[in-house]
Amino acid sequence: AQTVTQSQPEMSVQEAETVTLSCTYDTSESDYYLFWYKQPPSRQMILVIRQEAYKQQNATENRFSVNFQKAAKSFSLKISDSQLGDAAMYFCAYRSDTSGTYKYIFGTGTRLKVLA
Amino acid sequence: GAVVSQHPSRVICKSGTSVKIECRSLDFQATTMFWYRQFPKKSLMLMATSNEGSKATYEQGVEKDKFLINHASLTLSTLTVTSAHPEDSSFYICSARVGWDNEQFFGPGTRLTVL
Repeated sequence: AQTVTQSQPEMSVQEAETVTLSCTYDTSESDYYLFWYKQPPSRQMILVIRQEAYKQQNATENRFSVNFQKAAKSFSLKISDSQLGDAAMYFCAYRSDTSGTYKYIFGTGTRLKVLA
Repeated sequence: GAVVSQHPSRVICKSGTSVKIECRSLDFQATTMFWYRQFPKKSLMLMATSNEGSKATYEQGVEKDKFLINHASLTLSTLTVTSAHPEDSSFYICSARVGWDNEQFFGPGTRLTVL
């Protein structure tokens, strides 16, 4: 069974600085997708970035980028120029389409605090 | 992006009563809808997967008789918590899968409090 691990329960970053959130996963499949979701205090899940496993190029979305290391099964999120609005819970998620269920498996989350 | 709504946003009920939560995809037809449960400061735990017109598939450990899921149309799925007890108090989140992309879009969640 696939698992997703986020080893950092909480992280802090100074406003305007850069922070990296870690995520590792375990799977025997070769075709899958990885996601980072943000959950602010409102509890609405917001997609931050996604990565297709077959793509070697790391995904980027403005200030958000990932370091995808397929062999190491690592998928970290880098937030540059951190802003106060980035403070939230961040969840790493895995999805395999192989079984046809399209289920997401979420990590335990990392709470990000942004210090002014 | 695609919008998913949930109703109600929060509900308080007495122990022993049943509560229904609706999940709607507003601007697209959802091939599949998912129901998650989230405890305070915890991750999302998948409860069940529902496809329109068929029975829901429940995850291991989820009581199908307590958490009834109906997916009557491509835009509406409902979760009914039957004979609710205080331990059922939680935050329930639905998501809807877009067929052409398989990406899930999440509803804003429903906070259930059972007294």
